[in-house]
Amino acid sequence: ETGVTQSPTHLIKTRGQQVTLRCSSQSGHNTVSWYQQALGQGPQFIFQYYREEENGRGNFPPRFSGLQFPNYSSELNVNALELDDSALYLCASSGDGEFYGYTFGSGTRLTVV
Amino acid sequence: LAKTTQPISMDSYEGQEVNITCSHNNIATNDYITWYQQFPSQGPRFIIQGYKTKVTNEVASLFIPADRKSSTLSLPRVSLSDTAVYYCLVGDQDNTDKLIFGTGTRLQVFP
Repeated sequence: ETGVTQSPTHLIKTRGQQVTLRCSSQSGHNTVSWYQQALGQGPQFIFQYYREEENGRGNFPPRFSGLQFPNYSSELNVNALELDDSALYLCASSGDGEFYGYTFGSGTRLTVV
Repeated sequence: LAKTTQPISMDSYEGQEVNITCSHNNIATNDYITWYQQFPSQGPRFIIQGYKTKVTNEVASLFIPADRKSSTLSLPRVSLSDTAVYYCLVGDQDNTDKLIFGTGTRLQVFP
């Protein structure tokens, strides 16, 4: 049973549109990371936030941006959607010092048409 | 960041022990080895983590040789519900917390 919830579970957008995906982490988890997982591939790291500051970023363009809020919620925003952005987007959180304690949500399935 | 190599897929039968080996030749001194399990359309789930020798929990064992350039996840007496993708990751909690996933090993358990 996961302590991380993501919304929405599924989403369909048109190329060029913007999308906001949301994540609610476990209380006390100050670290949140976002991943993109294409079909049949492993999750790809997008970026990570710690106490509302971005502290790590993967190989994704600036149109992928994020926010983390004091209430342990976070957002992933993607502008100018492309067809290749279609994927499962995963949010993961962990508490301070819990390197192994990453808890993943079930993800948001984004389809860009 | 250390790169990992795993078999793409493995098949097994219910009740058998399954061993999945991961190579991580460039593992750094501060890196830990972590294994995750993922079912379709779900997020990865933490299975086990270790630094050296052997670690065992209620679901799996992790064997790490002295040179730490590989590790083996052992699943005792698998069942159909163990059919999933298994990811091996290495990382350093003091350098960065981000997890770099490979392509994983797709385990299929048959009755």
